[in-house]
Amino acid sequence: AQSVTQLDSQVPVFEEAPVELRCNYSSSVSVYLFWYVQYPNQGLQLLLKYLSGSTLVESINGFEAEFNKSQTSFHLRKPSVHISDTAEYFCAVTPQGSSNTGKLIFGQGTTLQVKP
Amino acid sequence: KAGVTQTPRYLIKTRGQQVTLSCSPISGHRSVSWYQQTPGQGLQFLFEYFSETQRNKGNFPGRFSGRQFSNSRSEMNVSTLELGDSALYLCASSSGQGGIRGQYFGPGTRLTVT
Repeated sequence: AQSVTQLDSQVPVFEEAPVELRCNYSSSVSVYLFWYVQYPNQGLQLLLKYLSGSTLVESINGFEAEFNKSQTSFHLRKPSVHISDTAEYFCAVTPQGSSNTGKLIFGQGTTLQVKP
Repeated sequence: KAGVTQTPRYLIKTRGQQVTLSCSPISGHRSVSWYQQTPGQGLQFLFEYFSETQRNKGNFPGRFSGRQFSNSRSEMNVSTLELGDSALYLCASSSGQGGIRGQYFGPGTRLTVT
């Protein structure tokens, strides 16, 4: 079985400051990793994903995440946040190479609050 | 392409009633998954359908059921509603079998049980 722990439930940060949202996972098999973002009253949007290859993955809006297999982590970072980044962020995993790839296991979410 | 659509967006039901929620995936997507989102339990997987077959099922009671049609549209049904079923129900579709490329979520149906 897999589990995901997002270490911070809320992260307040000032605009233009850097931010890191932490995610650790537990799994007995290799997994694919994802970050999703949810704006108020909306569904989830895929932010970025790690499937294989380079451990650093980037999104089109300036976020990046680094897969660390030894620490079983997939932390999300942005060097300079904007007010519009205020949202809830979810880390998720799914086991590789099985019929479970349509089943995402989510962390509890981290609310990013960007202050002016 | 149009995104994932879910109907209705909001629903109020009474305990004991049943409800059916609908999800239309992105055109060409054959996998549809359903999730329940609540403040206490977070996001929990309900089930996944691919080519009209249920491939995976989460740990929910049998009151929760679903199906997928030949055009990939999916419905989920909850019978004998309980207060604890109040939640945002999210549907997600993906192009491959499962969600290797990532699942694309609809806006959700907010169900309130009174």
